[in-house]
Amino acid sequence: EAAVTQSPRSKVAVTGGKVTLSCHQTNNHDYMYWYRQDTGHGLRLIHYSYVADSTEKGDIPDGYKASRPSQENFSLILELASLSQTAVYFCASSDAWENTEVFFGKGTRLTVV
Amino acid sequence: GDSVTQTEGLVTVTEGLPVKLNCTYQTTYLTIAFFWYVQYLNEAPQVLLKSSTDNKRTEHQGFHATLHKSSSSFHLQKSSAQLSDSALYYCALRIWDRNSNNRIFFGDGTQLVVKP
Repeated sequence: EAAVTQSPRSKVAVTGGKVTLSCHQTNNHDYMYWYRQDTGHGLRLIHYSYVADSTEKGDIPDGYKASRPSQENFSLILELASLSQTAVYFCASSDAWENTEVFFGKGTRLTVV
Repeated sequence: GDSVTQTEGLVTVTEGLPVKLNCTYQTTYLTIAFFWYVQYLNEAPQVLLKSSTDNKRTEHQGFHATLHKSSSSFHLQKSSAQLSDSALYYCALRIWDRNSNNRIFFGDGTQLVVKP
């Protein structure tokens, strides 16, 4: 079964600090995604990537950067964490075919104080 | 633009009764696939159903959905709701955009609560 592993699973960060969320997949998938989940807003796409060393902006990229150093790894970086970035973050992966599903990691609960 | 709409944020149903979660979409692309994802409390979303064939019923775990391109809908239904069905449900649309990138659009989700 497809595996997407996120670390850390939870984190408390200080406002203005730098936060890095990591994601590793063993599915040999081309696509990787970072989503943010907030109550009432569902899953919102922050950044995604379809090949190593390249990232694309999603629907809410402001305040976030992404890095895809290899096919397996995809990081989300908050250079200056803010209170409004408190949320649950999900990493996901999929292959390139439109009729296949996205596989999600277990999520990272980020609290910015 | 491309989007998925789930009109109900919360659906409450009594155990044993039928349930229907609505999903409509808007897209300009022809190469598309549809999904229902379910997310149990404190877990990751996981796929429940998927379809890319117009007017074909898809079933899994007692749930079923039929893609109707004529009405741009992919509603999720179950004839008899169970307590264990209580979860957050997402409808999703997958397309190829103009840059040949694969994009997935999620609806805002519908929280299903099944009461005894």
